[in-house]
Amino acid sequence: NAGVTQTPKFQVLKTGQSMTLQCAQDMNHNSMYWYRQDPGMGLRLIYYSASEGTTDKGEVPNGYNVSRLNKREFSLRLESAAPSQTSVYFCASEEGNYNEQFFGPGTRLTVL
Amino acid sequence: GQQLNQSPQSMFIQEGEDVSMNCTSSSIFNTWLWYKQDPGEGPVLLIALYKAGELTSNGRLTAQFGITRKDSFLNISASIPSDVGIYFCAGQSGGTSYGKLTFGQGTILTVHP
Repeated sequence: NAGVTQTPKFQVLKTGQSMTLQCAQDMNHNSMYWYRQDPGMGLRLIYYSASEGTTDKGEVPNGYNVSRLNKREFSLRLESAAPSQTSVYFCASEEGNYNEQFFGPGTRLTVL
Repeated sequence: GQQLNQSPQSMFIQEGEDVSMNCTSSSIFNTWLWYKQDPGEGPVLLIALYKAGELTSNGRLTAQFGITRKDSFLNISASIPSDVGIYFCAGQSGGTSYGKLTFGQGTILTVHP
């Protein structure tokens, strides 16, 4: 099992460019999450998907969109990147009842 | 939104020493989780706590779910160099927040050989 995989690992964008961060899990988990991690601020929830076909906003959703493509995949899109979106982005998945979220290795995004 | 206050922010210790860190909240949580993050990696779950007063161990790690449900602590005994990393607490409050975790700011642990 690969667990949770994320692509790309690193990305540099110019202000205004768009991109999609990909996440996939092979644990047959129902719930998936996107977080951003900034220095000294821990992890903050951007969007989550409690089950296939549903998505909901988290704490910091502005500037992002998500798609739960199927049970395995949950993508995060930046339509018009801004320097404030420079961060490390983590995807996580959870079976559903126990809050034991498993994290991917992260995508390090820099917006110039 | 909910906030978790994690302390200390950083610790510098000698190999073999014991370590203690804690998290407090102004709100009640139904679940407390402790994660460790190595440089360049995602957080990895260390211990999960589901019941007020629960004390759980995982090797040299021990964590407790506070009786008030507003705090939790993590102890590491006899630290070793590979304990280096960032430790995060996370809480889940249930109800409409089901599944959504609130994270502390992290404790950066440095272990000197």
